[in-house]
Amino acid sequence: QQQVKQSPQSLIVQKGGISIINCAYENTAFDYFPWYQQFPGKGPALLIAIRPDVSEKKEGRFTISFNKSAKQFSLHIMDSQPGDSATYFCAASKVLGNEKLTFGTGTRLTIIP
Amino acid sequence: ETGVTQSPTHLIKTRGQQVTLRCSSQSGHNTVSWYQQALGQGPQFIFQYYREEENGRGNFPPRFSGLQFPNYSSELNVNALELDDSALYLCASGERSGANVLTFGAGSRLTVL
Repeated sequence: QQQVKQSPQSLIVQKGGISIINCAYENTAFDYFPWYQQFPGKGPALLIAIRPDVSEKKEGRFTISFNKSAKQFSLHIMDSQPGDSATYFCAASKVLGNEKLTFGTGTRLTIIP
Repeated sequence: ETGVTQSPTHLIKTRGQQVTLRCSSQSGHNTVSWYQQALGQGPQFIFQYYREEENGRGNFPPRFSGLQFPNYSSELNVNALELDDSALYLCASGERSGANVLTFGAGSRLTVL
């Protein structure tokens, strides 16, 4: 049972544009929503995360928007750069106790000049 | 801070064989989790170890087993390999008492022929 649905599967954005990746979850027990960035040959690396008590979190060019009632959250990358080209995974879990992360299927982002 | 290291990076096995993958956790971390990432998919939780005991398991059969050692290093063992076991196996370490921030290794890519 896929509990976190991610879209789109792939995304091409021009340099300087805004990249938007969306995720939806089913399990209302989830209260921690991280985004991971993965480059080829590397493991996923935590990019930014949000708790459901806020609707938005911004770190540099990266912003998470969270809609608790719709059970949806999204990643916005402002001023996208070629170095942002990677696969992005949303995930969800309970925040404490190192509960397992349930990942989305990933979005391959390509930033073109 | 040394991060999470995994070995071997690549290996090829034949169906029915057994494999052992190894992981060294990041300094200061006391939990270790293993994830399976099939090609083009998000990581799937296999199990987590804390204080040398299994502390949560995903939807994987018993032929997937693990160990955590006193120095927080870990092994993933897979018996009776099947073709579908071909994947990238990721180790992630974290702190049980803290927020659910996991540090992933680069993974071991297993090919089963």
